[in-house]
Amino acid sequence: EVQLVESGGGLVQPGGSLRLSCAASGFTVSSNYMTWVRQAPGKGLEWVSVLYSGGNTFYADSVKGRFTVSRDNSKNTLYLQMSSLRAEDTAVYYCARGRDSSGYFPFDYWGQGTLVTVSS
Amino acid sequence: DIQMTQSPSSLSVSVGDRVTITCRASQSISNYVNWYHQRPGKAPKLLIYAASTLQSGVPSRFSGSGSGTDFTLTISSLQPEDFATYYCQQTYNTHAVTFGGGTKVEI
Repeated sequence: EVQLVESGGGLVQPGGSLRLSCAASGFTVSSNYMTWVRQAPGKGLEWVSVLYSGGNTFYADSVKGRFTVSRDNSKNTLYLQMSSLRAEDTAVYYCARGRDSSGYFPFDYWGQGTLVTVSS
Repeated sequence: DIQMTQSPSSLSVSVGDRVTITCRASQSISNYVNWYHQRPGKAPKLLIYAASTLQSGVPSRFSGSGSGTDFTLTISSLQPEDFATYYCQQTYNTHAVTFGGGTKVEI
């Protein structure tokens, strides 16, 4: 059974750092398009970053230069290292798998989400 | 980035109603559109991909159509479990995926 479990969220002060983890089971993270999506309280979905199976990474302009996505193949886990955090980064962060269905990459599995609150 | 404009932003309906949600892309994206719904406090769930392909396990009352810039999600007969927020998404540019603003379907 495919499962994604996020952890690492919490309360952090503005300017601080936090690392989110997304532990996967039932498939191999390194063979898939893996992504982070966030949702601010009461708002819509915002794509944050992607890590391709080949290792390439891309980021939303709102987090570029501050967030870094990576993976640990031995742990089958995806990470999001967040630094220089701002109040507007407050959100529930989801990891998701983009299934390579003939290039469409729909996000077919999602974690339960982890809440990051940036506040003093 | 490709902008996805969804309408309406909210919809008041009843069980059994036919529901149509539209999504317009800021440029032509062929059929690289996916649809999700999200119940309060839950993660989004994939309903439709490639504009019109039903995800495995999703009821056949859901359907999608469109190509180019205009896309539609239709629920043929709304069920109680369908009250949720619906999002379109473009994966034409997988380096910069974008979502529509969402449509809240409520009683």
